[in-house]
Amino acid sequence: GQQLNQSPQSMFIQEGEDVSMNCTSSSIFNTWLWYKQDPGEGPVLLIALYKAGELTSNGRLTAQFGITRKDSFLNISASIPSDVGIYFCAGLQLNTGNQFYFGTGTSLTVIP
Amino acid sequence: NAGVTQTPKFRILKIGQSMTLQCAQDMNHNYMYWYRQDPGMGLKLIYYSVGAGITDKGEVPNGYNVSRSTTEDFPLRLELAAPSQTSVYFCASSYSPGVSEQYFGPGTRLTVT
Repeated sequence: GQQLNQSPQSMFIQEGEDVSMNCTSSSIFNTWLWYKQDPGEGPVLLIALYKAGELTSNGRLTAQFGITRKDSFLNISASIPSDVGIYFCAGLQLNTGNQFYFGTGTSLTVIP
Repeated sequence: NAGVTQTPKFRILKIGQSMTLQCAQDMNHNYMYWYRQDPGMGLKLIYYSVGAGITDKGEVPNGYNVSRSTTEDFPLRLELAAPSQTSVYFCASSYSPGVSEQYFGPGTRLTVT
């Protein structure tokens, strides 16, 4: 399967700080999605990106679809305690049977 | 809308037993997916379906079977449970993958001992 390299693996930050994480691949993707997963729950969609270069915001979250179509970035501004969780990127390749491939996740801890 | 629902929430199986994980969605989505998530890992696609009567293998299909007789339901069958199938299983759906998002159910935590 396709490999999505997500970094960093974990982050410990102070409340109010900004957060950046990214997802890279050696392959081109048609769609990038960013999810947040709380313990014991299913992933919840945060942002969807459909075009290279696209920059999309959802409240304090901003994500970008890389120009090369091989990467994506998620930024969280002014973090708050409820931002704690695991963030996953997912990429879709339409020429491989409409399959989504997931990164290994970034675990975020926000220290009040 | 209930969204994507999964049952059961938890299950313990003995090696060699069989079970079916249920998944249903009420959003009239064409595409449905089954993933497994191992501790500290991302999700791996087991099987997916692009519509009633059509299913296809994902990255890790061995040991599993699926069927899609209706748009709403997409059950996942484990025929001979093995310890390697201990995982959390998530079902997801989307209207179409290229232009719409994928929505997940709450998961089924399965332990095989």
